[in-house]
Amino acid sequence: EVQLVQSRAEVKKAGESLKISCKGSGYSFTSYWIAWVRQMPGKGLEWMGIIYPGDSDTRYSPSFQGQVTISADKSIGTAYLQWTSLEASDTAIYYCARLGATSSSGGWFDSWGQGTLVIVSS
Amino acid sequence: EIVMTQSPATLSVSPGERATLSCRASQSVSSNLAWYQKKPGQAPRLLIYGASTRATGIPARFSGSGSGTEFTLTISSLQSEDFAVYYCHQYTNWPRGGFTFGPGTKVDIK
Repeated sequence: EVQLVQSRAEVKKAGESLKISCKGSGYSFTSYWIAWVRQMPGKGLEWMGIIYPGDSDTRYSPSFQGQVTISADKSIGTAYLQWTSLEASDTAIYYCARLGATSSSGGWFDSWGQGTLVIVSS
Repeated sequence: EIVMTQSPATLSVSPGERATLSCRASQSVSSNLAWYQKKPGQAPRLLIYGASTRATGIPARFSGSGSGTEFTLTISSLQSEDFAVYYCHQYTNWPRGGFTFGPGTKVDIK
């Protein structure tokens, strides 16, 4: 069974750094892209960026380029999303999601993590 | 960037009734469209990909149609567990470009 398990909720202050994680299991972690998706309170889903753990090829949404860093450690099957200086507007639930196909022809997300709530106080 | 719109924003339906949700793209996305169901406190769940292919384990009451810029998700007979927010998602530019989601349609109990 494919599983993506995310790190626990975080409460931080503005200006602090943060790194959240997403551990994949039940499949070949290096063969599938992993994306990060934000859901701000009461809002919809926003794609942030995506990484291919096999070679760490990373793409960012223009809206999030320079704001966050996505990385992966294939030796432990884990992807990361990090901030160097959080803002109150980063308060949201962050989901990791697996791209549903190993080829470039499939762009849907077939498995999702449970979400990590990040609360940033000003 | 391709902009996705969904209508209506909220759809009030009685259990057992049919629900029809619409998604429109600002330019053609061919059949590169997926639908997700999102309930509060839960992760999104893939329902449909390739505009009309049901994901593994998705009941037959969910169906998707359309291509180009106009898409529809139909729930043939709403069950209590189907009340949720539904998002469409285009991936036509992948891997050259990224992805965009629609703003969602909330299906609630009439």
